[in-house]
Amino acid sequence: DGGITQSPKYLFRKEGQNVTLSCEQNLNHDAMYWYRQDPGQGLRLIYYSQIVNDFQKGDIAEGYSVSREKKESFPLTVTSAQKNPTAFYLCASSAAGVGQPQHFGDGTRLSIL
Amino acid sequence: DAKTTQPTSMDCAEGRAANLPCNHSTISGNEYVYWYRQIHSQGPQYIIHGLKNNETNEMASLIITEDRKSSTLILPHATLRDTAVYYCIVRVATGGNQGGKLIFGQGTELSVKP
Repeated sequence: DGGITQSPKYLFRKEGQNVTLSCEQNLNHDAMYWYRQDPGQGLRLIYYSQIVNDFQKGDIAEGYSVSREKKESFPLTVTSAQKNPTAFYLCASSAAGVGQPQHFGDGTRLSIL
Repeated sequence: DAKTTQPTSMDCAEGRAANLPCNHSTISGNEYVYWYRQIHSQGPQYIIHGLKNNETNEMASLIITEDRKSSTLILPHATLRDTAVYYCIVRVATGGNQGGKLIFGQGTELSVKP
C-alpha cells in the first residue's frame, strides 16, 4: 500500500545525544515536511523540502537538521542543541500541483531520559 | 495564528449526519480550505479540501459559502470511529505552492455517541 512510514514509533534520547527520525514515502511525492506537535497544541513546521537536494527552514528549525538525498526519504535529526526535544514528530508529503493536500505518517514520539 | 475559528466540541448520534462548521473570514482568493482529523497519538488524516465549489468524496462533503468566509464539513452517517479532533485549515503559501505550511488551530472535538 502507498503511504508514509515513520520509524521508530517511540524514541528515547539521553541528554546531549543526537537522534535521527526516519520518514519514507512511496507515493512519489515531490514535497516533504516535518512538523512538531506538543500536547494540546497544533502542529508547527520544522523543515520542508520541495525537491531532492533542497530544503528550507520552517518556523522552528533551530536545533534540527534534515537531508533530502532521495525523493522518498526525508530524515530529521534532533541535535543536542534542541533544548526541548520531547514532542510528537510528524512527517508529511504532498504531490506537485496547486492545492495538493499533505498526507501524514503516524508520527514518532520522542522522549528525554 | 490559525486563520480559522471552530467550536471547541460537538456531539453527534451514531448514524446521524455530523455537520462541523468553520469560519475563515479573512481567507484570500487563492487559499484553499482543508479538513483533517486526528485521533489521539496518530498522525492527522486528510479528509477533503476545496477552493470555491462544494466537494464530495468517499469520506465527507465540504460546503463552502459563496463569499468563502465559512465552510461546513459533513460526515453523512457518523460512526463511533469518527470520534476525533477535526481541523479546518486555510493553507498559507510559504515559498511557493509546495512550501505552503498547514496551520492547525485547536480544532473541534467530535464525540459520536451510540
